[in-house]
Amino acid sequence: GAGVSQSPSNKVTEKGKDVELRCDPISGHTALYWYRQSLGQGLEFLIYFQGNSAPDKSGLPSDRFSAERTGGSVSTLTIQRTQQEDSAVYLCASSQSRGGGQETQYFGPGTRLLVL
Amino acid sequence: GNSVTQMEGPVTLSEEAFLTINCTYTATGYPSLFWYVQYPGEGLQLLLKATKADDKGSNKGFEATYRKETTSFHLEKGSVQVSDSAVYFCALSARSGYSTLTFGKGTMLLVSP
Repeated sequence: GAGVSQSPSNKVTEKGKDVELRCDPISGHTALYWYRQSLGQGLEFLIYFQGNSAPDKSGLPSDRFSAERTGGSVSTLTIQRTQQEDSAVYLCASSQSRGGGQETQYFGPGTRLLVL
Repeated sequence: GNSVTQMEGPVTLSEEAFLTINCTYTATGYPSLFWYVQYPGEGLQLLLKATKADDKGSNKGFEATYRKETTSFHLEKGSVQVSDSAVYFCALSARSGYSTLTFGKGTMLLVSP
């Protein structure tokens, strides 16, 4: 597709359940980022992928959060045993090559997660 | 560490008014600076960027100049339109290697006819 896509667009789950969020980056983009947008915290970085490797996981808030990327393309963010404070919009972005600071990151529409 | 501070909103203006949204940053080295915009119900879009001191980014009538001496990247537009109503985010990234974006908290702009 032309842009970054994410699915589902909305997810409602019960506390304690696991959820998987998917990101499909722009074709050919090797750098992929996950961010979280919440009312209290604004936009926060979660994890960065270069190819299938994740050299920076420093933003993951707890060990309940994990992510993987396969084939240098699609990425999945998994949240285990969801808590109400996980409710947020999860954003994925991709950029063209090494993810250098001057590159533009292109964002997907986000997945809105609500944990009841 | 890196941080971005931008003015709190909402900013409410009448159509054709002049807009300034202040943004200042703290960073090691020489970051690249960005303004992203989020229209209602849509994702984040890059509005403009500047990658070195004194560069001016511009797009859709919006401008921002990278001021190293004041560590600022204020967003301006001479005449806003109702369609400019959105949330505006100032952000920075380090210039070397890979880089995550550090965002300000966002400023909501509401433009009335």
